[in-house]
Parts: sequence; C-alpha cells; structure tokens
Amino acid sequence: QKEVEQNSGPLSVPEGAIASLNCTYSDRGSQSFFWYRQYSGKSPELIMFIYSNGDKEDGRFTAQLNKASQYVSLLIRDSQPSDSATYLCAVKVVDSSYKLIFGSGTRLLVRP
Amino acid sequence: EAQVTQNPRYLITVTGKKLTVTCSQNMNHEYMSWYRQDPGLGLRQIYYSMNVEVTDKGDVPEGYKVSRKEKRNFPLILESPSPNQTSLYFCASSLGGDTQYFGPGTRLTVL
Repeated sequence: QKEVEQNSGPLSVPEGAIASLNCTYSDRGSQSFFWYRQYSGKSPELIMFIYSNGDKEDGRFTAQLNKASQYVSLLIRDSQPSDSATYLCAVKVVDSSYKLIFGSGTRLLVRP
Repeated sequence: EAQVTQNPRYLITVTGKKLTVTCSQNMNHEYMSWYRQDPGLGLRQIYYSMNVEVTDKGDVPEGYKVSRKEKRNFPLILESPSPNQTSLYFCASSLGGDTQYFGPGTRLTVL
C-alpha cells in the first residue's frame, strides 16, 4: 500500500516567520511531487510541483525534495495570516500516468 | 473562464436511491478524476479517466461507477448509496496529468 504521511498539525507560527511543512512517502520510485493548499470549505489548489532533488523556489514558497530520504517539504517564508490553510502533499504513483496519492494534510495557522 | 463545475453542490439522500453527480470542464483536458475527502483520511481517488471511453479505478472504487462519453463530462454514479459514502466529493481535471484543477466540491449525505 503506497502511503504519503503528513503531520496533521495544527502548525502554529507567528506572522513573518518561516513555516515548514513536511511529507514522507513510501514508494521509493516516485518521481513527481505536489503541494496543494486548501482553505476551509474550498477546493484544493496547486501551489508547487517538484521533480528533481533539491530546492525549487516560487515567490515566498520553496519546495524541497530528498528522494534518498523519501522526504518532501514546503517552506513558506514571511508567513501571512492569509496562508492559514491545510496543505496537502501529493505523490504520483510510479506505474500510473494519472494516479495521485494524497497525504491527509497539515493545518497551518499563522498568528497575527 | 476556465473552470471545473460540479452539480449538485449539496445533496441529502437515502440509502439505496441511485444518484449521479455531474462534473464538467471547459479546458479541453484529457484527464479527469474523482476524489472523496473524509476527515483524517485526506483525498482518496475513486476513479480517473485518461480520455474518452478510458477509465480506471483509483484507491476506493467500490460502490461507484463512472463514464466518459464526452471529453468535457465525467459523471460519478452511486447506484445504491450507503451511509459510508457520506463524504465531500471533488472532481478534478488536468491537461497532462500533473497540475490538477479541482471543482468546488459536492457534499453528500446518505441517511
């Protein structure tokens, strides 16, 4: 059973701090990784995707991938109260072109 | 406006009464998918479709059916709903299988 694990939180950080969200996955051959943000009562929206080991930056967001450790993370710099949401990690199944496994999400709370 | 639409948004029904949740996208995407979201379990894929007339099971297909007769539509059918299918359902579409665009969700309650 392929799995994607996230700490459910809530992760509470003060405004302006760096929020660090973590995700581990069980399928060693996975190649594609995604971070989605979901506000309460809304649908998920894609923030970032990453395919290669290392860091990928997009504005205040940085995705980090370590395939050897089967670990992917999302850093949010200068956190804002509007970043308060649930962040979902998703991993594409190796033997499928369109099958994603989602983690249960980490709830982030940014305190003003 | 590029979007994925779902109907109905809210539905309360009784055990055994067949229902269909519609999903439509206007982005000419090949890939479409259905998920259910339950507290503590996250998003779980029910079925997905790679193109017209091509569908495959996700992780939790039991009790559900789908069809893809047109590229833009991907309805989810519950032939005999049961209370354990009470959930929040999302339809999603994607051009290349990676970036998925989600619909607004359908909250289903089966009594």
